[in-house]
Amino acid sequence: DAMVIQNPRYQVTQFGKPVTLSCSQTLNHNVMYWYQQKSSQAPKLLFHYYDKDFNNEADTPDNFQSRRPNTSFCFLDIRSPGLGDAAMYLCATSRDRQGTYQPQHFGDGTRLSIL
Amino acid sequence: AQKITQTQPGMFVQEKEAVTLDCTYDTSDPSYGLFWYKQPSSGEMIFLIYQGSYDQQNATEGRYSLNFQKARKSANLVISASQLGDSAMYFCAIVNPNFGNEKLTFGTGTRLTIIP
Repeated sequence: DAMVIQNPRYQVTQFGKPVTLSCSQTLNHNVMYWYQQKSSQAPKLLFHYYDKDFNNEADTPDNFQSRRPNTSFCFLDIRSPGLGDAAMYLCATSRDRQGTYQPQHFGDGTRLSIL
Repeated sequence: AQKITQTQPGMFVQEKEAVTLDCTYDTSDPSYGLFWYKQPSSGEMIFLIYQGSYDQQNATEGRYSLNFQKARKSANLVISASQLGDSAMYFCAIVNPNFGNEKLTFGTGTRLTIIP
C-alpha cells in the first residue's frame, strides 16, 4: 500500500546532540510537511516543501532544519535538541490542489525523548 | 485570521450510540476546506472526512458524516453506531488560500472515549 513512513518510531537523544528524523512516501505527492505535537496539544506546523520549494513557519526555531533530497524523502534535523523539543514529530504529504483541497496523509510519527 | 474552535475537551459515549463532535470555524475567505482527523493513542493522524466550502451536500464516509452549517460556520462530525475502536482524539482543521493552500489550522481537539 502507498503510504508515509517515518523512522524511527521512537528516538532518544541526549541534550544538545544532533538528531535526524526521516520520512519517506510512496504516494508521489508534491508537498511534504513536518509537524511538532506536544502532549495534549494540536500539531504545530514547522515547515513544508512544495516540490523543492522550502517554506518555513515564522515561529519555527532556527534549531530546526529540513532537507528534501528527492520527491520521496524528507528529513528533519534538530541541531542542538533541548528538553523543550521532546515531542511527537509528524510527517505528512499532500497532492497539488486541483480544484479541491487535498487531505494530508500522515505517517505514524516519531516520538522524540531528550535525556 | 482563521481559527478552529472545538469546545468539548472530552466526551464519554456508550458503545453503539451516535456521537456528535462540535467544530466551529472562523475565516474571512469564501473558499476553504474543512477536515476531520482521528488520532489514536498510538499517535498516527488518520484522515476521516472532508467538506469543501462550496459543496452543496454534507460529506459522508461510512459511519462518519459531517453536519455542515455554513451560515453558522459550523462543521460537526457525526459518528453513527460508535465502536470501542473510535476511542481517540479528534481534530477539526481548516485550510484556505489566504494562509497558503496547503496549511492546515487545527483545533485543540476532543478526546472521545467509548464505554462498553
